Order: sequence, then C-alpha cells, then structure tokens
Amino acid sequence: EIVLTQSPATLSLSPGERATLSCRASQSVSSYLAWYQQKPGQAPRLLIYDASNRATGIPARFSGSGPGTDFTLTISSLEPEDFAVYYCQQRSNWVYTFGQGTKLEIK
Amino acid sequence: EVQLVESGGGLVQPGRSLRLSCAASGFTFDDYAMHWVRQAPGKGLEWVSGISWNSNSIGYADSVKGRFTISRDNAKNSLYLQMNSLRAEDMALYYCAKESGEGYFDYWGQGTLVTVSS
Repeated sequence: EIVLTQSPATLSLSPGERATLSCRASQSVSSYLAWYQQKPGQAPRLLIYDASNRATGIPARFSGSGPGTDFTLTISSLEPEDFAVYYCQQRSNWVYTFGQGTKLEIK
Repeated sequence: EVQLVESGGGLVQPGRSLRLSCAASGFTFDDYAMHWVRQAPGKGLEWVSGISWNSNSIGYADSVKGRFTISRDNAKNSLYLQMNSLRAEDMALYYCAKESGEGYFDYWGQGTLVTVSS
C-alpha cells in the first residue's frame, strides 16, 4: 500500500501570505495525485487532480506540482476562506489512500 | 446538480451489522465508479471501499476487508455498504463519493454517522 505523508501537520500563516503544503508518497504515483480542502462541518472539496490540474471552479491562486513522489500544493495569496484542512490522495490498482492532512490556520 | 444523499447510519452494538445507502441524482450513475470514505471524529479521511460502474471491479481498505461489502443498483441509482462485525474503530462519518473517472472524488455527500457502542 502506498503511504502518503503530509507536512507540516499545522501551518500558521496570515491572509495574503503564500502557503506551501507538501505530500510525499512512499513510492512513485506518477501524476495520479489529488488535493482536497475540508472546512469544519463540511464534506471535502476537490481542488487539484492529476497533480497540477485545478478542478472546476477552483480559483487560480491554488496550484499543484509533481509528479513522482514529492508533491506540493501552493496557495499564492491566502484568503480568509482558505483556512481549512488539506488532504492529498492517490489511487493505485483499486486501492486509494489519503494523507493525514495539513491544518492551515490563521496566525 | 449532482446530489449524493447517505442514509442508514445510527447507533449499533459491537459485533452487529448495519447497511448504509447512498441515493445519487444529477448525473448518469452507471457511468461512474462510486466509493465510501469515512472520517472518525476529529480524524482524517480514510478510503473504505470502491466499486466500478458495472460492479466488475471492487476494492476495500485492509481495515474492513472481509467485514464490509460494497454493492450498487444502477437501476435505482443507489450505492450500498453492508457492514458486519462492527468494531469501535469503525465509528465514523461515512461519506458517499462519486469518482471523476480518473481516480479522484469530485462529488461528496454530507455523510451518515455510524456510532459503535454498547
């Protein structure tokens, strides 16, 4: 099973700052990686798929990079609504795994 | 508009069974794989199980293999999760999720809560 490790566990930043979240896979997942945002009391929302493609309706300040084993989600300039928990996810032969999440909190 | 509505959660004793359902609308259900993802209170997301559009391919997390069974009824636009031999560690909010066709979850329901306690 491919393990996804996210870092940091918590990231404290201010609105307007740049956020960089990392996701490392235990083996190569090519570009088959997605990022989700989850706010309290809400279901997750797909942000990025195939490592770098924004999902429908996702603002351009969200971007992703890969491929291979090291992936990054970048939020270029934080808006108040961006403070949430972010998860990465991969799929491989009908086994899907999530990272443990990064909590992005207001500093 | 895509809608996924889960039902069937509730309080159940350890060792007992529960069947979750997910009613889908707003898209061609039998074109897409579907999944169950759970989230224990205060914890992260855990993929539980997935099923292809025609039920020919099915996957389970190791934590539920042999105890949970996923199924679908394309005529009823519905997804199911039969959960047997429930344990305390199965207690979670269970989400139904639509796969985009590329291995990602593009639509989610609001979840149904499963509580396992004596």
